[in-house]
Amino acid sequence: QLQLQESGPGLVKPSETLSLTCTVSGGSISSSDYSWGWIRQPPGKGLEWIGNIFYSGSSYYNPSLKGRVTISVDTSKNQFSLKLTSVTAADTAVYYCARRGEATWQLMIGHFFDSWGQGTLVTVSS
Amino acid sequence: SSELTQDPAVSVALGQTVRITCQGDSLRRYYASWYQQKPGQAPALVIYGKNNRPSGIPDRFSGSYSGNTASLTISGAQAEDEADYYCNSRDSSDNHEYVFGTGTKVTVL
Repeated sequence: QLQLQESGPGLVKPSETLSLTCTVSGGSISSSDYSWGWIRQPPGKGLEWIGNIFYSGSSYYNPSLKGRVTISVDTSKNQFSLKLTSVTAADTAVYYCARRGEATWQLMIGHFFDSWGQGTLVTVSS
Repeated sequence: SSELTQDPAVSVALGQTVRITCQGDSLRRYYASWYQQKPGQAPALVIYGKNNRPSGIPDRFSGSYSGNTASLTISGAQAEDEADYYCNSRDSSDNHEYVFGTGTKVTVL
């Protein structure tokens, strides 16, 4: 069974860089059928998509975070990582990693995040 | 980028049926997926594509579409269905971007 596990510091100072890693077990990150994503949720608020990466290294980001976010992949370790620079208190959130799949029904495509990590709380504070 | 709009909260009597809607232009191009999130837990996929349930999701959960609106229906709601529900789809642009709905809190009375 596929499992994803986030890891990284739970406390980051303002203006510094948030760095998280997602380790995938029970399956290979090097599958062309899927991409791998980061999603966050500020306390008491909704979900926000941060970005996705394919095992090839092609990555896509939320326009609201562009310029501050980088997602990378290490296929040898079956991991992918998130870096978010110049953080502020507004970046305090639970950060989730997830696997994204897609399929087609009657010529229309559906995308879905079918496996999620448990999430890790990152607090931005001095 | 696209937006997906959901009603903030709905309530349903135990055993009755409730429909949650998600509205957005991207739903004319892409199917939505739906996620259930209980307090302190990660979201869990409940419906994807035209109307597909992952293994382990009860068949009281179903999905449907009309125009730019996707719906999640819980038929015969149970106490354990009380949760936040989010829709998600790819953005209507061609930029491989994704957007989550604003979320709906479902209360089972």
